Amino acid sequence: DAKTTQPPSMDCAEGRAANLPCNHSTISGNEYVYWYRQIHSQGPQYIIHGLKNNETNEMASLIITEDRKSSTLILPHATLRDTAVYYCIVRTYNTDKLIFGTGTRLQVFP
Amino acid sequence: ETGVTQTPRHLVMGMTNKKSLKCEQHLGHNAMYWYKQSAKKPLELMFVYNFKEQTENNSVPSRFSPECPNSSHLFLHLHTLQPEDSALYLCASQQASGGARSEQFFGPGTRLTVL
Repeated sequence: DAKTTQPPSMDCAEGRAANLPCNHSTISGNEYVYWYRQIHSQGPQYIIHGLKNNETNEMASLIITEDRKSSTLILPHATLRDTAVYYCIVRTYNTDKLIFGTGTRLQVFP
Repeated sequence: ETGVTQTPRHLVMGMTNKKSLKCEQHLGHNAMYWYKQSAKKPLELMFVYNFKEQTENNSVPSRFSPECPNSSHLFLHLHTLQPEDSALYLCASQQASGGARSEQFFGPGTRLTVL
């Protein structure tokens, strides 16, 4: 699985968009980009995933660059409850494994 | 509520005790996982079960013994643990045939403290 690089921490004002970047420059054509988040001492929560195209669901949007070497998770209107560690994971299409890194700690402030 | 439940949520045990962690999924999935999360460390995959068969053991010490009696239930039996085994133990499930197209759903975890 390709390695990902994320900033260790970010801040965001409540009500503003939170844009969380992820670099995955060694990603290959059959690898998906997954995002999970983990609120303190809880189990990770699935957010969104994509292969090539941008994706949107009720939680967030995922923007993948055309060369697929990086992506951005967008929380359009961050709330205090979005404070969590966000994990960007690259996952080979035929594997069930999730390899977690250290993620980005997002702090949403009032 | 993710459809994956874990009991107990908190457990304190001595090094000579034997205890078991239980996980149940109500999602109709056929793959289940145990992960360990130590303080300030990333999640580490411990065991993988597909269709009740263990398909992966990531060099986990034998004092951790998994059991998967059916596709909905997963246990982690603990005996003669060490204080460094104190961690958050997380269970997850997935539709196995989905590969990377299917997301994993996690339970809330069991916070284990070994004295």
